[in-house]
Amino acid sequence: NAGVTQTPKFQVLKTGQSMTLQCAQDMNHEYMSWYRQDPGMGLRLIHYSVGAGITDQGEVPNGYNVSRSTTEDFPLRLLSAAPSQTSVYFCASSLGGGATETQYFGPGTRLLVL
Amino acid sequence: GDSVTQMEGPVTLSEEAFLTINCTYTATGYPSLFWYVQYPGEGLQLLLKATKADDKGSNKGFEATYRKETTSFHLEKGSVQVSDSAVYFCALSKNSYGKLTFGQGTILTVHP
Repeated sequence: NAGVTQTPKFQVLKTGQSMTLQCAQDMNHEYMSWYRQDPGMGLRLIHYSVGAGITDQGEVPNGYNVSRSTTEDFPLRLLSAAPSQTSVYFCASSLGGGATETQYFGPGTRLLVL
Repeated sequence: GDSVTQMEGPVTLSEEAFLTINCTYTATGYPSLFWYVQYPGEGLQLLLKATKADDKGSNKGFEATYRKETTSFHLEKGSVQVSDSAVYFCALSKNSYGKLTFGQGTILTVHP
């Protein structure tokens, strides 16, 4: 199993450009999430999904779009990049949605917006 | 809302020293508590967890006990190694689709 994979590893964008961060998992997990990691702030939830076709907003959803057409994939779209979106983005998945579930994280995508 | 507070870092120790990283939380109900670790250049991985009061999570020589009376989940290790150098995150989860609320992270550096 590859676990949770993310592409690209690193990306530089100009303000106003759009892009899609890819996330895939091969563990047949129903639950998937996107977090951003900023210095001194830990990780914050952007969007999450409880299954194919079902998504919802997290703590910091503005400027981001998601969709979940398959169990395996959960892409994150930046509609019009802003310097405030410079961050490291992590995708995570879990088998279930209970409070005791272990989250499995991808290696991250480092995004720089100029 | 729910929140997690970790001790300020970075923490620098010599090999074989004792480690404590403090973590306290604010939450309604009965959250599960986690420690995740992020090694350089990698994503986060679960280190240990505890799902109810007085539970002790342990893994790789690390331990943490869920103390509801003090709303704490401090991470300890009796003898750290250079390979323990990483960023450590305390987190909580309630029954909300597995969403995690993270502390700010503590950078640990262990010197030989």
